[in-house]
Parts: sequence; structure tokens; C-alpha cells
Amino acid sequence: DAKTTQPPSMDCAEGRAANLPCNHSTISGNEYVYWYRQIHSQGPQYIIHGLKNNETNEMASLIITEDRKSSTLILPHATLRDTAVYYCIAERQGNMLTFGGGTRLMVKP
Amino acid sequence: GAVVSQHPSRVICKSGTSVKIECRSLDFQATTMFWYRQFPKKSLMLMATSNEGSKATYEQGVEKDKFLINHASLTLSTLTVTSAHPEDSSFYICSARPQETQYFGPGTRLLVL
Repeated sequence: DAKTTQPPSMDCAEGRAANLPCNHSTISGNEYVYWYRQIHSQGPQYIIHGLKNNETNEMASLIITEDRKSSTLILPHATLRDTAVYYCIAERQGNMLTFGGGTRLMVKP
Repeated sequence: GAVVSQHPSRVICKSGTSVKIECRSLDFQATTMFWYRQFPKKSLMLMATSNEGSKATYEQGVEKDKFLINHASLTLSTLTVTSAHPEDSSFYICSARPQETQYFGPGTRLLVL
């Protein structure tokens, strides 16, 4: 599975958009980009995933570059409850997920 | 999304005792479930893949005789930590996937005294 690189931490002001980057320069053609988040002392929560088209759901938007070597998760209006560790994972659909270090997002009032 | 539950949510036990953790898929059937372990301030590490009707597959370095996994039905997998020691204290998380997306349980925090 492709290795992903994320910044270890980011801050965001409450009410502003949070843009979380992820690099996956060695991603293969059949690997999806998955995003999960983990709020303190809870199990990971699925956010969104995509292959090459941009995706949007009620939680977030996923923007994947045309060459698929990087992506950005966008939380349009961050709240304090969005403070969590966000994991970007590149994996073939149906395979088990391997977690990296993730990005610790701190939403500040 | 799909719902995965775990029981108990936290457990404290004495060193040398065994602890069983249950993982249930509440609204779907899962032939495969995954068990992860997470130490403080660390990422999740896959321990084993639980397969309904057959033996679990363990990741390298995970002792199968210490971490017994039983996938008794299409909605239940159990992880038993045998002869627990303080170094087994951790956050144990299971997951399953109804189709192609993996969903996680809320986790079980184990403290071995």
C-alpha cells in the first residue's frame, strides 16, 4: 500500500475552513484515498474516500489532484468538536487499512 | 454509516488474569473483522484479521496464543487477552466492513494492574 505523508499538526480557527493536506506520490491506479478521524479516546470515524474525482458529503470535501499524488480534506466550517487526529490512507478498496501518524487538528475559538 | 460496537468500553484487571473483548457488527454481517491496538499518543497498529469459520491471521510479532481470537458468528468476534500483564494495557479497537468501507468500534481501554 502507498505511503502517505501528512503534517503532524495544524491549527484552525473556529468557523473557518480547515484544509488538511496529504501527499501520496506513490499511489497506484487502483488505490483509493480514505480519510478517517479519531477524537480522543474513541475509535476512528470514517469521513470520506475517493479514487480520482473530487467528493463531497455532509462531513467534508475531498479534493484529489489530477495526477493523484496529493489530496486535501476540507472541513468547510470547523467547530471545536472537529478537534481530532485526521488520518489519510491510500489503499485498494477492500483491503485492510494501515494507519500512519495522521495530522492533529486543533480547532481554536 | 455502519455500526460496530465493542464491550466492555473499559476494563481493569489484575495481572495474570484473562480478559475478553467483544466486537459486534450491529446492522450488517461481517465475515472478516480486524483487531487493532493503540498505545498512548501512537497510531493504530493492526494485530490480526478475524475470519468467520476459520482461524485468525496474525500480524508479525503478535502472539496468537496470547491474543486469542474467535469469530463465532457473522456479527461477533472476540479477542481474549490471556494472562494479561501491565504491558498489555492499551486501547483495543475492532473494525469491520459491510461492503468496501471499513468502520470502527468505539474501542476498549484495558488497564492491567
